Amino acid sequence: AQSVTQLDSQVPVFEEAPVELRCNYSSSVSVYLFWYVQYPNQGLQLLLKYLSGSTLVKGINGFEAEFNKSQTSFHLRKPSVHISDTAEYFCAVSQGRSGTYKYIFGTGTRLKVLA
Amino acid sequence: NAGVTQTPKFRVLKTGQSMTLLCAQDMNHEYMYWYRQDPGMGLRLIHYSVGEGTTAKGEVPDGYNVSRLKKQNFLLGLESAAPSQTSVYFCASSARGTPLPETQYFGPGTRLLVL
Repeated sequence: AQSVTQLDSQVPVFEEAPVELRCNYSSSVSVYLFWYVQYPNQGLQLLLKYLSGSTLVKGINGFEAEFNKSQTSFHLRKPSVHISDTAEYFCAVSQGRSGTYKYIFGTGTRLKVLA
Repeated sequence: NAGVTQTPKFRVLKTGQSMTLLCAQDMNHEYMYWYRQDPGMGLRLIHYSVGEGTTAKGEVPDGYNVSRLKKQNFLLGLESAAPSQTSVYFCASSARGTPLPETQYFGPGTRLLVL
């Protein structure tokens, strides 16, 4: 069974500093990876996803992630964060076959951007 | 286009009471999901549906039942609520996912407290 590990439960960072949120996965088959963001008291929304092709994926709000098969990682990065990026970030992996996919979520990383 | 909506937003129950959470989507999605979110545990799949009239168990189905009588609606029922079911419940929907998995769209959540 596939699993997702987000080692950092909280990441504080100063405004305009770069940030990296780590995600590692375990899988023995084709991998499809997602990053979602959850702002306070809201549902999750998609930041970016890797399904195939280029290993560097760009998403909304200036975020990007790199799929690294040898390291089994899909770390999320942003070169300069804003106060408005304060939120919880979830990495997810999709498992299954065409038409039967399910999604496994990590435990989340709470990003706190400090002024 | 409302996306995914959930009713109610908040609810307080006493142990042993029953209730139904309603999820509605207007994107004509085939797949619908119910998750619960607990601190430090991320999102865990309760039940899901791959089409009208079909449901299946997820990771934590005990104590819950679901129905998908109409394509746009997915109901989650608690027959006899327990304090362990205190959580935030999220509904999500996605397109079929053939051949690759699709993005999930989430509702705003229902906060349930069981006393």
